[in-house]
Amino acid sequence: LAKTTQPISMDSYEGQEVNITCSHNNIATNDYITWYQQFPSQGPRFIIQGYKTKVTNEVASLFIPADRKSSTLSLPRVSLSDTAVYYCLVGDALPQGTYKYIFGTGTRLKVLA
Amino acid sequence: NAGVTQTPKFRVLKTGQSMTLLCAQDMNHEYMYWYRQDPGMGLRLIHYSVGEGTTAKGEVPDGYNVSRLKKQNFLLGLESAAPSQTSVYFCASSYSRGTGDYYEQYFGPGTRLTVT
Repeated sequence: LAKTTQPISMDSYEGQEVNITCSHNNIATNDYITWYQQFPSQGPRFIIQGYKTKVTNEVASLFIPADRKSSTLSLPRVSLSDTAVYYCLVGDALPQGTYKYIFGTGTRLKVLA
Repeated sequence: NAGVTQTPKFRVLKTGQSMTLLCAQDMNHEYMYWYRQDPGMGLRLIHYSVGEGTTAKGEVPDGYNVSRLKKQNFLLGLESAAPSQTSVYFCASSYSRGTGDYYEQYFGPGTRLTVT
């Protein structure tokens, strides 16, 4: 069962780039790395997913080294509204073809003015 | 599209009472999930379903039952509520393998349940 380790909390200032690193030493060959964002009193929201190298979308970039034992979520120029908990997830394939995520405690990002 | 909706948003139960939480999705997703989130913790999978009429156990299924009679609905039942079931319950749905990005789960807004 692949698990992840990430910092409990981080502070940043508006306009800065934030990098959150996640460790997943036991990641399986077929597993993808997925990041979710959760605001207080809301359900998690998908941010980005990748398998190797670099993935970029309109909100974030995901960097994955060749050994895939870690990954880094990069948020460019954060704003106060990016204050949230960020979860790094490595899925486990379930019977019947679906996917299970192991949610840890995540990284609480606080963006300061 | 409303996405994933949950009913009710809040509920207070006494120990031993029963209740059903309703989850509905309008995205024609095949897979649906129920999670619970305790204060300061991540989400834990209770039960999941890979299609109408099918259910399976997740990490923490004890004390809960589920049913998926219609593709768009996934019900979570507590037959005899206990204080340990005080939590926020989230429902999620996703595409099935081969029909879309089944790794992306869409979450509802949650139901805050307190058992006294």
